Amino acid sequence: GEDVEQSLFLSVREGDSSVINCTYTDSSSTYLYWYKQEPGAGLQLLTYIFSNMDMKQDQRLTVLLNKKDKHLSLRIADTQTGDSAIYFCAESRPGGGNKLTFGTGTQLKVEL
Amino acid sequence: NAGVTQTPKFRILKIGQSMTLQCAQDMNHNYMYWYRQDPGMGLKLIYYSVGAGITDKGEVPNGYNVSRSTTEDFPLRLELAAPSQTSVYFCASSSPKSSYNEQFFGPGTRLTVL
Repeated sequence: GEDVEQSLFLSVREGDSSVINCTYTDSSSTYLYWYKQEPGAGLQLLTYIFSNMDMKQDQRLTVLLNKKDKHLSLRIADTQTGDSAIYFCAESRPGGGNKLTFGTGTQLKVEL
Repeated sequence: NAGVTQTPKFRILKIGQSMTLQCAQDMNHNYMYWYRQDPGMGLKLIYYSVGAGITDKGEVPNGYNVSRSTTEDFPLRLELAAPSQTSVYFCASSSPKSSYNEQFFGPGTRLTVL
């Protein structure tokens, strides 16, 4: 099928690391993405990784890609209360138009 | 730049009513998209457009129509509203020139059909 799967909820303490996982379906995806949605707002691109990379680091964010297992993860170091949001992974889809398939979203709650 | 704008922010419709959700972008993006977001379901693509005069169906087009007469605007029409169309609707745009195909999202329209 075309489902991109994520766990629905994750709760962490402030200062800990968060790891959000995603499994995708299309081995031909060129890019994989992490989008962040804050309450009452639209989605914003957080980071992305090209399909021929294994890892990408961007300040507190680390993206790991395992193409063999079609597994993508997002690690947030030193998680802050401002990181509380819904995180969506997405994969690019073939056929033109820059279409994306989104995962179900993981709600991250950061507790003091 | 305002980016992607959507109106209205909220709307309540009665079953069988019709309405148009407006979307506009000022980034000169060729590609535009309509998604619906339901709890625990992620975003599902309703329709998309690769340029003025060109539209195509996404995963869940039934009950909706779109048009793209200009590069800037991409309205979504609901002809006979049904409770199953209660959702949050997001419009997005992107440029074919983007090296990594980023989509830019509007703030959403929350629609309730009673």
